Amino acid sequence: EVQLVESGGGLVQPGGSLRLSCAASGFTFTNYWMHWVRQAPEKGLVWVSLINSDGTITTTSYADSVKGRFTISRDNANNMLYLQMNSLRAEDTAVYYCVRAMLGTFDYWGQGTRVTVSS
Amino acid sequence: DVVMTQSPLSLPVTLGQPASISCRSSQSLIYSDGNTYLNWFLQRPGQSPRRLIYKVSNRDSGVPDRFSGSGSGTDFTLKISRVEAEDVGVYYCMQGTHWPRTFGQGTKVEIK
Repeated sequence: EVQLVESGGGLVQPGGSLRLSCAASGFTFTNYWMHWVRQAPEKGLVWVSLINSDGTITTTSYADSVKGRFTISRDNANNMLYLQMNSLRAEDTAVYYCVRAMLGTFDYWGQGTRVTVSS
Repeated sequence: DVVMTQSPLSLPVTLGQPASISCRSSQSLIYSDGNTYLNWFLQRPGQSPRRLIYKVSNRDSGVPDRFSGSGSGTDFTLKISRVEAEDVGVYYCMQGTHWPRTFGQGTKVEIK
């Protein structure tokens, strides 16, 4: 059974940092690109970042709103996905979902981890 | 970015009656491989999104056959033939053809 379990969310002050983690199981992690998608309170879904599956050459991409502040990474040996979030702003407040991707689709989502940026 | 526009944004339905949600994209979703990467997700209250439909009309395992997807190019529809109580939630379309991936605003389905 595919499982994606996020952790690391919490309350942080503006300008602060958080590192989100996603533990993947039930599938061959190295075969899949992975993404982060976020959902602000009472709002819709917004793509945040992706990382490819190739262990030799890493390809990453970011939404313009987080570029230069967030860094996605993965540890294929331990089936882990990460999102390092720096210089956090109030508008980063959201539930962050770890998502498995296949060509043209997102097939499995984690349960999400909540990030609140507030003083 | 490709803009995905859903309508309606709110859909009160009667149990047992049909429902239909429209999703339009600002660009064609036909990919260079000939496939159209249009997906539908359902987010039930308090839950994470779950994929229902991929490549316009392919139902995921376990998705009841009362759900159907159709469309082409820039115009797509999700239909529920007979709404059941468990169908309540927010439905999102998402395009997987262009980068970045983009979602519709969501359609909230509730029982009248």
